[in-house]
Amino acid sequence: NAGVMQNPRHLVRRRGQEARLRCSPMKGHSHVYWYRQLPEEGLKFMVYLQKENIIDESGMPKERFSAEFPKEGPSILRIQQVVRGDSAAYFCASSPQGWAEQFFGPGTRLTVL
Amino acid sequence: KNEVEQSPQNLTAQEGEFITINCSYSVGISALHWLQQHPGGGIVSLFMLSSGKKKHGRLIATINIQEKHSSLHITASHPRDSAVYICAVPLLSGGGADGLTFGKGTHLIIQP
Repeated sequence: NAGVMQNPRHLVRRRGQEARLRCSPMKGHSHVYWYRQLPEEGLKFMVYLQKENIIDESGMPKERFSAEFPKEGPSILRIQQVVRGDSAAYFCASSPQGWAEQFFGPGTRLTVL
Repeated sequence: KNEVEQSPQNLTAQEGEFITINCSYSVGISALHWLQQHPGGGIVSLFMLSSGKKKHGRLIATINIQEKHSSLHITASHPRDSAVYICAVPLLSGGGADGLTFGKGTHLIIQP
């Protein structure tokens, strides 16, 4: 049973470009969470999704950020018009139920030049 | 909204020492998570516990729900235990499905 997969592992973008981060949950997991870790800071919750639904996006910046978890395929975190302050490690986690243990992916390290 | 405090922030110990990391949170929870992160690396879930005590190898986690406090212990510590240990609890009280809020982490270094 493969773990949570994230790709790309490293992503470099220039200011103003779009970044797309993908997360494939563990088999049988229908709950996905996205977290961000800014340099020298702790992890912060961004968004919680179930298949085709956003459950809680209270941690997501109101502009430029969006997330989806379609019926088929991975969950996508999309950042439009990236700025240097978006440089961070983005982790996703999945769980089989909302209150169960969360399993983390390896993260995507985004660098904005 | 739940808040998490961890201590100590940094800990350096000699190989073989018994290690304790503490975590306190502000509101009632359904379960608490202990995570491990190596520098530049991914995050590994060590424990999720809602009461009492759990043990896995040399790692032991305890929780006191009434006092809103948890501890992570490492017995016979080894240099490979060097990592950041992070405590996490649900963002909101109530026990429902939720994202996590995290402590700032404890940077542990075990010297040979």
